[in-house]
Amino acid sequence: DSGVTQTPKHLITATGQRVTLRCSPRSGDLSVYWYQQSLDQGLQFLIQYYNGEERAKGNILERFSAQQFPDLHSELNLSSLELGDSALYFCASSVSWAGGVEQFFGPGTRLTVL
Amino acid sequence: SQQGEEDPQALSIQEGENATMNCSYKTSINNLQWYRQNSGRGLVHLILIRSNEREKHSGRLRVTLDTSKKSSSLLITASRAADTASYFCATDDDYKLSFGAGTTVTVRA
Repeated sequence: DSGVTQTPKHLITATGQRVTLRCSPRSGDLSVYWYQQSLDQGLQFLIQYYNGEERAKGNILERFSAQQFPDLHSELNLSSLELGDSALYFCASSVSWAGGVEQFFGPGTRLTVL
Repeated sequence: SQQGEEDPQALSIQEGENATMNCSYKTSINNLQWYRQNSGRGLVHLILIRSNEREKHSGRLRVTLDTSKKSSSLLITASRAADTASYFCATDDDYKLSFGAGTTVTVRA
């Protein structure tokens, strides 16, 4: 158990819909990362937050957005969903915002778009 | 885009044998990390090696890094059935991890 929790575990929805994925980082970790894992793209970095502020953006679509709240939990919002958005979405956390530190991954949310 | 590429894509070995997988990357790095993923579950950190280090050990794991060749290798010695998983190298880009496609290792009993 990494100490990172993600809800829900599974999500099945239809094209065009909007969903919210939730992540609670490990106690004491200020940095939260979101990754997408799909068969064709592999593991892709989406976005990072540190202590409530966006630090870095990766290959995140404009239809996707995220935020980190004062209690440090984070939400990833996916809207106008397409079939290709079906993937495993991971949240990770680390103690700092910089590199050179271990990232602790949550169990993931499996999103299926029908 | 993926920074690292693992080789081989898949590996099948007998319990007790060693497993070696390689990772090549494209641009200069500060650190390189290896992670393990069991069948669609979350990733587990195995080891981090810094660009000024050449070799690092952790239990049955040995990681090497050759920055001149932009490559790293992960050796798992005396493999066990529980080592069956996908292994990913990730270049550490100061704020994000860029993962390769992974090596799927199957350890046969």
